[in-house]
Formats: sequence, C-alpha cells, structure tokens
Amino acid sequence: AQSVTQLGSHVSVSEGALVLLRCNYSSSVPPYLFWYVQYPNQGLQLLLKYTSAATLVKGINGFEAEFKKSETSFHLTKPSAHMSDAAEYFCAVSLAFSGGYNKLIFGAGTRLAVHP
Amino acid sequence: DAGVTQSPTHLIKTRGQHVTLRCSPISGHKSVSWYQQVLGQGPQFIFQYYEKEERGRGNFPDRFSARQFPNYSSELNVNALLLGDSALYLCASSLAGLDNGQGAFEQFFGPGTRLTVL
Repeated sequence: AQSVTQLGSHVSVSEGALVLLRCNYSSSVPPYLFWYVQYPNQGLQLLLKYTSAATLVKGINGFEAEFKKSETSFHLTKPSAHMSDAAEYFCAVSLAFSGGYNKLIFGAGTRLAVHP
Repeated sequence: DAGVTQSPTHLIKTRGQHVTLRCSPISGHKSVSWYQQVLGQGPQFIFQYYEKEERGRGNFPDRFSARQFPNYSSELNVNALLLGDSALYLCASSLAGLDNGQGAFEQFFGPGTRLTVL
C-alpha cells in the first residue's frame, strides 16, 4: 500500500541557510508525488509535483525536489531560507484506484521554523 | 479567478449535533474531494465526488456523508458529532474525475472549515 513518511516533525534553520525537508514513499506502482505548504490557519498550497517528466522538479518560491527511485525519496530543498518560509510542509502521493477516482495520501508534515 | 471557497470558516458544535460544511470548486472543475486534518497530522481522505456521484470513500464511519450538486458544489455532512471530529475540513477540486490510471492531476485546496466539537 502507498504511504508517505516525513522524517523530522520539526526543522529549524537560520535565515539564509539551506532548507532540506525529507520525504520517503512506498508505492507498488510509479508514484506521483507532491509537496504542499500550509501557512497558519490556511489551506494547502501546491509547491511542486513530480509526474515522471523529470526527476528534478522546480516549484514556486525557490523550492525544488528530486525524485530518487532507488532511494524511494522525494526530498524538498531550498538553497537559502527566508523568514516567510516558516510554515508546515506536507509530502503527498497520489493514488489512483480502479473506478476512476484518486486520493492524496499525506505524510504527517514537517514544521519549518526560520530564525534570524 | 476565484479559487476553491468553503463555508463557514469556523464552526463550534456540541457532541451529538449535526453539521453541514459547504464547498464551491474552481469554475470548470467537476471533481471535489474532502479531507479531514486533525491538529498535528496530515490530511486524511474522506470522499471524492465527480459528476454528482461518489467515486471513492476513505476509512470514515457512516456518520460522514456528502453530496455534489449540479453546479459541482458540494456539502459534507457529519451526524452525531464526537469530540474526535474536531478538525480542519479541507475541500479540494480538480479538473478531472475519471482518471486514466495515472493519478497525476492536481487538486486545488480551499482554506478549510475549522470545526470544534465541545
């Protein structure tokens, strides 16, 4: 069964430092993977998605993620953290079933704190 | 263009009551999904509707039900509320319903409805 594991429920970085948020997935079929960001008291905003076109995916706000099949990973990175990046980040895999519907399976989330 | 809208923003109910949450998808989107996000956890899939029919259901009790209207808006109903139903309820819309088996289409999320059960 498909599942997503996010390593580290809390990550703290200094402003300007590298951001690395880890995500590992398990999937019996080629996965479609997503990173979403959630700011306090808001819904989810898509940062980027992997749909098998390219293993290195660039998203909004300077974020990117690399799909590594051999490691079953889809880690999210940003070269230089900004204070506005402080939020909760969710990795998700899209699972399609027969009958034509699909759902997103989310990890537990990683809260990113950015300090001056 | 307007994104996914949900109402109400916040709601406080007591145990045993019933609640109805509403969602309007992005114009042109025919599929709506509902997710429950308990504090400190990732969202959990509840339902997906497409063309007014339920296409999928997550592991939630029968107290949870939903429907989709001809204009593709949707309602989520929860009966006999429990304290554990307190959560952020998220609605997501997408263009497609019937999938080619790839599951690659994007879901756009609304701001959510914060339900508190006392």
